[in-house]
Amino acid sequence: GAVVSQHPSWVICKSGTSVKIECRSLDFQATTMFWYRQFPKQSLMLMATSNEGSKATYEQGVEKDKFLINHASLTLSTLTVTSAHPEDSSFYICSAREGQDYGYTFGSGTRLTVV
Amino acid sequence: GDSVTQMEGPVTLSEEAFLTINCTYTATGYPSLFWYVQYPGEGLQLLLKATKADDKGSNKGFEATYRKETTSFHLEKGSVQVSDSAVYFCALSGSGSARQLTFGSGTQLTVLP
Repeated sequence: GAVVSQHPSWVICKSGTSVKIECRSLDFQATTMFWYRQFPKQSLMLMATSNEGSKATYEQGVEKDKFLINHASLTLSTLTVTSAHPEDSSFYICSAREGQDYGYTFGSGTRLTVV
Repeated sequence: GDSVTQMEGPVTLSEEAFLTINCTYTATGYPSLFWYVQYPGEGLQLLLKATKADDKGSNKGFEATYRKETTSFHLEKGSVQVSDSAVYFCALSGSGSARQLTFGSGTQLTVLP
């Protein structure tokens, strides 16, 4: 079945630094990728939707300059948290889909801790 | 807009008990409905889905039926196991251009031996 690889699985960084999270579709071409954020014991909140080769569409309240999303190829999307602060600490999950009529495959998530 | 209302947890059951987790939705058009499961520290795994009214999704002993008249997609399992302990999310794929998923709040299930 479809597999999405997300790295790193966890990362600790200092406040003010930037962190990049990668999401790769291993055996299919992901025309659309989604980035979610999940706070402890809460649901997933969609941050942005990206289509290969075009700019990401951010949800209301998500700072596009802070959460940079790049979807330069059909198998790779990256989320960069710039100038991270402790309040950015969270669990970030990506999801990929081959096309509108295909299912969603989720990555295993990245636990970000900013100290 | 689209929304999913899910039974609040946590839910604690003994092994072999019957499980029901309620889920209702609000959406325009004809959404697809999903149940996802999340084990500690992991991403989400698709448990089952239904794409049209009266469809029944099933997997690993879990079932859910797409009820358009009651806008519901309740998750059931006749006999839970300790290994079923996880967080369960109800979700719908709506009619937006990207058809992104809208999730319920999640229900923590703990099954005791």
